[in-house]
Amino acid sequence: EDQVTQSPEALRLQEGESSSLNCSYTVSGLRGLFWYRQDPGKGPEFLFTLYSAGEEKEKERLKATLTKKESFLHITAPKPEDSATYLCAALYNNNDMRFGAGTRLTVKP
Amino acid sequence: DTGVSQDPRHKITKRGQNVTFRCDPISEHNRLYWYRQTLGQGPEFLTYFQNEAQLEKSRLLSDRFSAERPKGSFSTLEIQRTEQGDSAMYLCASSSSIDTQYFGPGTRLTVL
Repeated sequence: EDQVTQSPEALRLQEGESSSLNCSYTVSGLRGLFWYRQDPGKGPEFLFTLYSAGEEKEKERLKATLTKKESFLHITAPKPEDSATYLCAALYNNNDMRFGAGTRLTVKP
Repeated sequence: DTGVSQDPRHKITKRGQNVTFRCDPISEHNRLYWYRQTLGQGPEFLTYFQNEAQLEKSRLLSDRFSAERPKGSFSTLEIQRTEQGDSAMYLCASSSSIDTQYFGPGTRLTVL
């Protein structure tokens, strides 16, 4: 069964302290890898789509990268408003979309 | 705002009652998805429509769950004879291609 695993489950950073979130996935049949941000009580907000190993996308303080078996979401100099749960999802050729459990990020001022 | 909308945002019901949720997708999107999300977990796929056709249903979707998308526009998700285990956030998403899905704000269901 296709699986998506995110680590760490929770991450606490000081404002300005850069870090990375990890997403590992079942490689066979992958069509695309997605990153979403989710605030408490709200629906996921789309951030990035990655399709092939080596691809990178950036938005403000966030940069997503994709390798052959995992993806990273790099957060540079985070601010308290970056606090949220970050979800990774993998879409497979059989139209199966699998989400990880998320990384809960807290950025302290 | 032309994003995905869901109604109601919150629903509290007693065990055994039926509930219905509505989703209005982004207007030009022909694909519509329903997910369920419990606390501390990622969204879990329930079912998928392309236009008015329901193309996929999760094995997790019991006979008490039914979804419709008449005329390929809005969609409804009905849960019959609710159980406490149905308490969750029900999310709707839409897309214009087979890839990027845009989510609504969700409907929080509490079954007492």
